[in-house]
Parts: sequence; C-alpha cells; structure tokens
Amino acid sequence: NAGVTQTPKFRVLKTGQSMTLLCAQDMNHEYMYWYRQDPGMGLRLIHYSVGEGTTAKGEVPDGYNVSRLKKQNFLLGLESAAPSQTSVYFCASRGNTEAFFGQGTRLTVV
Amino acid sequence: KQEVTQIPAALSVPEGENLVLNCSFTDSAIYNLQWFRQDPGKGLTSLLLIQSSQREQTSGRLNASLDKSSGRSTLYIAASQPGDSATYLCAVPKLAVGRGGTSYGKLTFGQGTILTVHP
Repeated sequence: NAGVTQTPKFRVLKTGQSMTLLCAQDMNHEYMYWYRQDPGMGLRLIHYSVGEGTTAKGEVPDGYNVSRLKKQNFLLGLESAAPSQTSVYFCASRGNTEAFFGQGTRLTVV
Repeated sequence: KQEVTQIPAALSVPEGENLVLNCSFTDSAIYNLQWFRQDPGKGLTSLLLIQSSQREQTSGRLNASLDKSSGRSTLYIAASQPGDSATYLCAVPKLAVGRGGTSYGKLTFGQGTILTVHP
C-alpha cells in the first residue's frame, strides 16, 4: 500500500487519555478517510475530507475529531479515550480513481 | 444513503474451483467501484477498479463486472488457490453535496466476504 503512512502502528491508552493518529499520503490525493474496523462490524467511516481544510462526518464520528490543515496529512484525534474506542484504525486516500490504504493502527484503551 | 451488501458472508471452496463474489449497492449514482483484498491483521490492498462507464475489468485470474442499473458488481476468481484466502471487500464513492459543492467523497464499504480456499 505504497503512499499512505499511518503512525503509530500500535498504542495502548488509559481511559481518559488523549492521542492523535497521523495519516500522511504522498500522492497529492484530494480525498482522505479514517475508518475503524471491529470484529463482525466491517469497516465503518469515522470522518473524511474532500480537500485541504475540509472535513465531514462519517457513520461513527462521536468521540473523534479530525483536521486537514495540509493536503498530505489527515489527523484523527481522541480527546478522552474510552474502552469502546479499542479498534484497528485505517486511513485511506483517493484521487479520481483508486483508494489506497495505510497498514492500520491497533489501539487498545484500558 | 448508500448501502453496500456483499454475499456470501463466507465461502469455502477446494483449490482449483472458479468462484463468484457478489456486491450490491442501493444508489446507482456511483463514480466507480473498487474491489479490495484484506489478509488477516493487514491493511486493504486494491485489486480492481471499475469506472462507472465500464462494464468489466480484468487482472490476471480476477475479473470484475459492473451493472449500474441493477446495482450489482461481481468478482470472478478463476482457478482459485490457497493463497487467494482472504477477506474481499467492495467499495463505492457516493455522490454528496457539501459546503465545497458536489463531490464523490464518501467511500462506503460492504461487510466483506471471507474466502477460504483449501488444498
């Protein structure tokens, strides 16, 4: 999945802590996405962006905030982590054709 | 609201069989449709992309078709191999109207089909 990099790859948080997940793409794509993937739930869209400076809510936005200050970066923030946010998070970017995914961030909230 | 459904949820076949995975979508105003593969614990890898103006796309043993009017796409895998075992997902960008105008921004996924090819 060349071109989309997520950091960190793994993280353990305590309930109430905050953190930011970073997604970076070098393909000059307009669209960027944050998904979470849970067993039996498939991929669920958290937030997405259709261009620099824009963000929009997906299916499960509560508890998350995002920013797209630079075209190549899409940040996902958890202000006060909850155990229900334990999941694998995927970032994706898309131009006018294919979407490309990062390798994922495995987040555990204890 | 665009809803994407994949059938079957799971499929187990012997090596060498040809098989078909199905993807249905409720809103035909799609820009394109993309098929992905996901191996356990990994990210998604793009397999095929079909533009809305196309009827099918081929890559090696894979062939994807698109019928917008009926809201369906199929992924055909020929001569399946154990290495094809993975979860297969389809996704469609949905036309949306926002502050910045219209765009095919929202990318919606099906639940996936878990494929197991046994030797």
